[in-house]
Amino acid sequence: DTGVSQDPRHKITKRGQNVTFRCDPISEHNRLYWYRQTLGQGPEFLTYFQNEAQLEKSRLLSDRFSAERPKGSFSTLEIQRTEQGDSAMYLCASSLRGSRQGEQYFGPGTRLTVT
Amino acid sequence: KQEVTQIPAALSVPEGENLVLNCSFTDSAIYNLQWFRQDPGKGLTSLLLIQSSQREQTSGRLNASLDKSSGRSTLYIAASQPGDSATYLCAGDSGGGADGLTFGKGTHLIIQP
Repeated sequence: DTGVSQDPRHKITKRGQNVTFRCDPISEHNRLYWYRQTLGQGPEFLTYFQNEAQLEKSRLLSDRFSAERPKGSFSTLEIQRTEQGDSAMYLCASSLRGSRQGEQYFGPGTRLTVT
Repeated sequence: KQEVTQIPAALSVPEGENLVLNCSFTDSAIYNLQWFRQDPGKGLTSLLLIQSSQREQTSGRLNASLDKSSGRSTLYIAASQPGDSATYLCAGDSGGGADGLTFGKGTHLIIQP
């Protein structure tokens, strides 16, 4: 257990529905990242927050994807109008700027299945 | 754009052997290099972080090295055990933590009892 938690662990949804995932980082970590991992591939970076500011979002896969971190603590990733191609593992990671700078700790992931 | 390649894609060895996993990257302006382990259906466990000013890190039976000039990192596992069976991923950070990690596809390792 790295201290990063994600909820839910599994989500099955029908095509066209909206889904939201939550990530709780290690409490003192000010940076939070979202990744997507498909079968047989390494994780793919999606977006990044430092405190509540979203500093990188150009890598979100489409405008159906959005993320928030309203108070600089937990974060949510929303996918609107899901498609079968969105089926993947969604991973969250956190890090603390200035301490073993940049080392990222990952949560267990949310596995999304779109039917 | 940073690209990370891992060789071999899969490896199966008898228990007790020492082994080396390879990782290469295209952009030498890499800041951190991190090695992870991933068990099937699980998240990633950080094994070793090599920061920009360092050339290697050791933890127990694991040793990782980083050579920025050649664009390579290696993960050495000594005296392999069946519990080491997993997928090993390397990832580079070009932004000092202010950017996402770029991952390779991983090496799927099986240690035969």
